[in-house]
Amino acid sequence: DADVTQTPRNRITKTGKRIMLECSQTKGHDRMYWYRQDPGLGLRLIYYSFDVKDINKGEISDGYSVSRQAQAKFSLSLESAIPNQTALYFCATSNSGREADTQYFGPGTRLTVL
Amino acid sequence: GQNIDQPTEMTATEGAIVQINCTYQTSGFNGLFWYQQHAGEAPTFLSYNVLDGLEEKGRFSSFLSRSKGYSYLLLKELQMKDSASYLCAVRAFQSGGYNKLIFGAGTRLAVHP
Repeated sequence: DADVTQTPRNRITKTGKRIMLECSQTKGHDRMYWYRQDPGLGLRLIYYSFDVKDINKGEISDGYSVSRQAQAKFSLSLESAIPNQTALYFCATSNSGREADTQYFGPGTRLTVL
Repeated sequence: GQNIDQPTEMTATEGAIVQINCTYQTSGFNGLFWYQQHAGEAPTFLSYNVLDGLEEKGRFSSFLSRSKGYSYLLLKELQMKDSASYLCAVRAFQSGGYNKLIFGAGTRLAVHP
């Protein structure tokens, strides 16, 4: 079984719709992250969370919100999707106390906003 | 500012050796990672350097020179399955105690028979 899972894997939606992407992990890591990846650009950080009570904005948080429902679950919401949010979205986890805080990625969600 | 540069594309022959370079300019440098990413898939961790020198792990090695802001990933005995993008990522210490991971755009490597 995968250590970091994301649902859905693919989603096509229309402008203005509310979308939620979910991430779950069984690695027991305390830190979780949401990134988006666009062609020709590096992975860019949207939000990150160091524990259940800690949520922080990344470099491109506008238009997104997150919820850390439990240590193992971190969801990303697009309140009103727009076409330039079409991208590949990755969730990642890391352990602050071990493995040099290396981040491990989920399989990704391909989101298309029409 | 913070900047990471790596070549956009490289090609190599099966069985050969290829070196993928990465240069960076960041404040608060606190380590450098290399990830492999096959098209449409998740990045997977390859290597981590925080001190100067070479780290070897099987067919893959990674080198770091902090004074030069330079790293490379060396892939030996190339196989067709090594065709992928290779992402250089620098960890930089931020005020407030957070280590931010900054990714380069990636180098797309094509291995030919």
